[in-house]
Amino acid sequence: SYELTQPPSVSVSPGQTARITCSGDALPKKYAYWYQQKSGQAPVLVIYEDSKRPSGIPERFSGSSSGTMATLTISGAQVEDEADYYCYSTDSSGNHSGVFGTGTKVTVL
Amino acid sequence: EVQLVESGGGLVQPGRSLRLSCAASGFTFDDYAMHWVRQAPGKGLEWVSGISWNSGSIGYADSVKGRFTISRDNAKNSLYLQMNSLRAEDTALYYCANIVYGAWGQGTLVTVSS
Repeated sequence: SYELTQPPSVSVSPGQTARITCSGDALPKKYAYWYQQKSGQAPVLVIYEDSKRPSGIPERFSGSSSGTMATLTISGAQVEDEADYYCYSTDSSGNHSGVFGTGTKVTVL
Repeated sequence: EVQLVESGGGLVQPGRSLRLSCAASGFTFDDYAMHWVRQAPGKGLEWVSGISWNSGSIGYADSVKGRFTISRDNAKNSLYLQMNSLRAEDTALYYCANIVYGAWGQGTLVTVSS
C-alpha cells in the first residue's frame, strides 16, 4: 500500500526556520496537503495543493513540492507552532484512496 | 459556518457492528469528496475511507477493506460509515472530514472491547 514518510521529530529555536519533509512516490503527480494538530484538538489545514495557504493561516507557513518530496516550511517559528504535523496525499489509483504521512512532532524551544 | 458533526460511536464488542453518521452544513456538500479518518489513542492520523461527490469513486484503507462501507446521502448532507466485524485495533476517534477543504468534525469515539 502507498506510504508517505516524514521525519519523526524536528526541533527549532523560536524565530528560526523549521522544515518538514514528506516523501512519496506519487507526489510528482498528486497534490500534498499539510495539517497541524495540537494536543486534544482536531487537525487544522495549513497548506493545500502543495503551496497554497488557507485564509487565517500565518504567512510564516509555506509549502513546496519537487519530485517525490513535499516540504512544509515554518519561517520564524513561534512557540504556538509546537504541534504534530501531517502531510496528506492520494495514490495514483483514482479510487479516492488517501494516505496520511507518519507525522512529525515539531518542538519549538 | 462550516460544520461537521459525527455521531454513532460507542463501546462495542469484538465482531459486532456500528454505524457512524456525519451531518454537514455550511458548504455545498455535493460539490466535494468526503472522508473518514481515525486516530487511535496516542497515534497518528489514519485515512480510513473516501467517497467522491456522486459516490462513483470509493476507496478504503487495507486495514478496513471488506469490513467497512462508506456511503453518502447528498439530499440529507450526510456521510456514513458502516463498520462490521469490528476488532480491538479499530478502537479510535473517528473523524468525518472534507480533507481538501480543511473541514473536520470533533470526532466520535469508537471503543471495541469485550
